[in-house]
Amino acid sequence: GENVEQHPSTLSVQEGDSAVIKCTYSDSASNYFPWYKQELGKGPQLIIDIRSNVGEKKDQRIAVTLNKTAKHFSLHITETQPEDSAVYFCAASQAGGSYIPTFGRGTSLIVHP
Amino acid sequence: EADIYQTPRYLVIGTGKKITLECSQTMGHDKMYWYQQDPGMELHLIHYSYGVNSTEKGDLSSESTVSRIRTEHFPLTLESARPSHTSQYLCASSGLAGARNEQFFGPGTRLTVL
Repeated sequence: GENVEQHPSTLSVQEGDSAVIKCTYSDSASNYFPWYKQELGKGPQLIIDIRSNVGEKKDQRIAVTLNKTAKHFSLHITETQPEDSAVYFCAASQAGGSYIPTFGRGTSLIVHP
Repeated sequence: EADIYQTPRYLVIGTGKKITLECSQTMGHDKMYWYQQDPGMELHLIHYSYGVNSTEKGDLSSESTVSRIRTEHFPLTLESARPSHTSQYLCASSGLAGARNEQFFGPGTRLTVL
């Protein structure tokens, strides 16, 4: 089955700095890679995703990159703000059908004002 | 805002009690999931369902059971709660067909067993 490793487990940055969270996956058949943000007291919510036919995707201050050959993908947050403080999860899956996503163990991001 | 709901949000209960955590979604999704989230953040899949009358056990062994009699409803039951069941329980759903496998999560139920 799929195995997803996520690093770091905690990340502390100053407001305005960039933050990078990295994930690796093991199953070359995985082709859909979502990122979720979980704020305190809430369930995870999708913030950005990427499919394996794309190398990079951006949405305002967040971007995700994918290296299929190396089987790793990363979340980049620029100009971090205190409201970016949350737990972030990466996942790997196969789009459509009956596949169950495999999650990384999560990264707690703290942005200091 | 995702249309997936969980009740209760918080539950404190004594050992040995039977409890049911409710989860419902109004998006017509076929797939539904239950995760147990430990204090270390990690999400552990305990049950999932592909549709009505389909239930499967997840990666983490759990003493809970689930049922899927209606598409929109996926309750989780503990016949006899124990302190080791104290945790955050998250319900999620996703569409079976389509290009994406995005999951929509409920707000969670925080269960404390005394």
